[in-house]
Amino acid sequence: AQSVTQLDSQVPVFEEAPVELRCNYSSSVSVYLFWYVQYPNQGLQLLLKYLSGSTLVESINGFEAEFNKSQTSFHLRKPSVHISDTAEYFCAVSVAPGGAQKLVFGQGTRLTINP
Amino acid sequence: DGGITQSPKYLFRKEGQNVTLSCEQNLNHDAMYWYRQDPGQGLRLIYYSQIVNDFQKGDIAEGYSVSREKKESFPLTVTSAQKNPTAFYLCASSAREIGTGELFFGEGSRLTVL
Repeated sequence: AQSVTQLDSQVPVFEEAPVELRCNYSSSVSVYLFWYVQYPNQGLQLLLKYLSGSTLVESINGFEAEFNKSQTSFHLRKPSVHISDTAEYFCAVSVAPGGAQKLVFGQGTRLTINP
Repeated sequence: DGGITQSPKYLFRKEGQNVTLSCEQNLNHDAMYWYRQDPGQGLRLIYYSQIVNDFQKGDIAEGYSVSREKKESFPLTVTSAQKNPTAFYLCASSAREIGTGELFFGEGSRLTVL
């Protein structure tokens, strides 16, 4: 069975500072990896995903994540954060190509941006 | 606009009562899911359905029931057998294409047991 560990439950940073949200996974087979973002009192939205190919994937709002198979990690980074990035971020893993996309989620990391 | 609609957004119930949460999607997705979210625990899968008239238990199905009579609808009933039902419930859907991997979520329903 797969599992996901997000190493930090809360990450406070100042505006325009860089940030890294850490995610490690455990699986005996190949995986697909995802980062979802949740703004207050809303559902989750897909931020970025790794399915295959380049191990560095980017989102449209400046976030990036790198798949590291040897370290079983998929850390999320942004070089300069904005107040609007305040949200909860969830890392997720799937091993179900085709059929129902069963995702296993991490516990979440609450990112707080201070002015 | 295509999307997922959950209702009600907020719901209060007394102990011993069953409640049903609605989830409707117009994305023409085959698969639908129910997740429960508790602080510090992430999302846990309750039930999922890959096709009409078929559904499977997730990791925490005890005390919950679902139906899938129409492709667009996947209601969740929280029964009185659920020991700790106060939580934020999220419905999601996905297409069946291989490798898409993307779940589309509704805005959630917050259930509080008084």
